[in-house]
Amino acid sequence: EVLLVQSEAEVKKPGESLRISCKGFGYRFTNYWIGWVRQMPGKGLEWMGIIYPGNSDTRYSPSFKGQVTISVDRSISTAYLQWSSLKASDTAVYYCARRDAGPWYHFDYWGQGTLVTVSS
Amino acid sequence: SYEVTQPLSVSVALGQTARITCGGNNIGGKNVNWYQQKPGQAPVLVIYRDSKRPSGIPERFSGSNSGNTATLTISGAQAGDEADYYCQVWDSSFWVFGGGTKLTVL
Repeated sequence: EVLLVQSEAEVKKPGESLRISCKGFGYRFTNYWIGWVRQMPGKGLEWMGIIYPGNSDTRYSPSFKGQVTISVDRSISTAYLQWSSLKASDTAVYYCARRDAGPWYHFDYWGQGTLVTVSS
Repeated sequence: SYEVTQPLSVSVALGQTARITCGGNNIGGKNVNWYQQKPGQAPVLVIYRDSKRPSGIPERFSGSNSGNTATLTISGAQAGDEADYYCQVWDSSFWVFGGGTKLTVL
């Protein structure tokens, strides 16, 4: 069974750094792109970026480029989303999702989401 | 950048057919995917490549795409179908989500 398991909720202060994780189970982690999606409170889904664990090829949405860093540790089948200096506006639920194999562009499995709260 | 637009809300009577649209410039030339999201839960893929259903998704969910509009159709809507629905396309290396449509089953 394919599973994406994300790290627990975080409460941080503005200016702090943070890394959240997404661990893949039940499939060959290096063969599938992993994307990150933001959902601000009461709002819709926003694509942030995507990484291919096989070679760490990474693409960012223009809206998030320079604001976050996406990385991967192939040895433990885990993708990461990282901030160096959080802002209150980063408060949101963050989902990781697996892009289906082949020349298609849908996300077939999603993590359970990680709530990040940034407040002084 | 490419944009897709969805109605904010759609209502349907129990057992009737709901149609949720996703508009975009020549969206018929792209593959459209649809996700269902219930409160407090992660999104779930319900339609991919315009009209294909993942395993486990009921047959009452179907999709079409032509011209400037893609449509998610829910035939015989049930109370459990009440959720937010998002369309999504890929354009020039970017993934684009619609703003989402809240489906209310009356």
